[in-house]
Amino acid sequence: GQNIDQPTEMTATEGAIVQINCTYQTSGFNGLFWYQQHAGEAPTFLSYNVLDGLEEKGRFSSFLSRSKGYSYLLLKELQMKDSASYLCAVRVYNTDKLIFGTGTRLQVFP
Amino acid sequence: GAVVSQHPSRVICKSGTSVKIECRSLDFQATTMFWYRQFPKKSLMLMATSNEGSKATYEQGVEKDKFLINHASLTLSTLTVTSAHPEDSSFYICSAKYTGNEQFFGPGTRLTVL
Repeated sequence: GQNIDQPTEMTATEGAIVQINCTYQTSGFNGLFWYQQHAGEAPTFLSYNVLDGLEEKGRFSSFLSRSKGYSYLLLKELQMKDSASYLCAVRVYNTDKLIFGTGTRLQVFP
Repeated sequence: GAVVSQHPSRVICKSGTSVKIECRSLDFQATTMFWYRQFPKKSLMLMATSNEGSKATYEQGVEKDKFLINHASLTLSTLTVTSAHPEDSSFYICSAKYTGNEQFFGPGTRLTVL
């Protein structure tokens, strides 16, 4: 079966750093994606990890440990516009299908 | 580049009617398109995978006769919700993919069935 877990909600202060965790148990694995989604809008791509380690892209970084079935998204220098839902998605092995986690709603306060 | 559009963005219909939603890749040819639905404050649930010229592959629990998918060309896929009922009210999002890893998402269609 497929099971992808994320915290439901998180809050943080403008300028701070926040880490959003994602754990997964899937029947196969072919990469992990992070997407940002503002309310009522389509998800936008943030990062992709297929090998273990950290991928850095500006203020956002994503980490993957395949042996632990674990990933996190790290957001630095938080801005008010970062208030959104963050979706973790695992690509099923040998397909292009994405299985999404429950999503984490992040609220950034001044 | 890699823009995906959906039409309409919002639709309200009466119970029992059918609604068609279009998904277009505007600046690339999509080898595969995907259809998702999303309930309020919930994550995306994959409904079906669509390849041009072939029948869509539906996820478990999704009725293929209820949600008709037609992938007419490399830039267009349509989802028709047949005999819509209030429980079909949801946010429907498509995505498209060509080479590479990323899926590009459309802006979504909010369906309300009265």
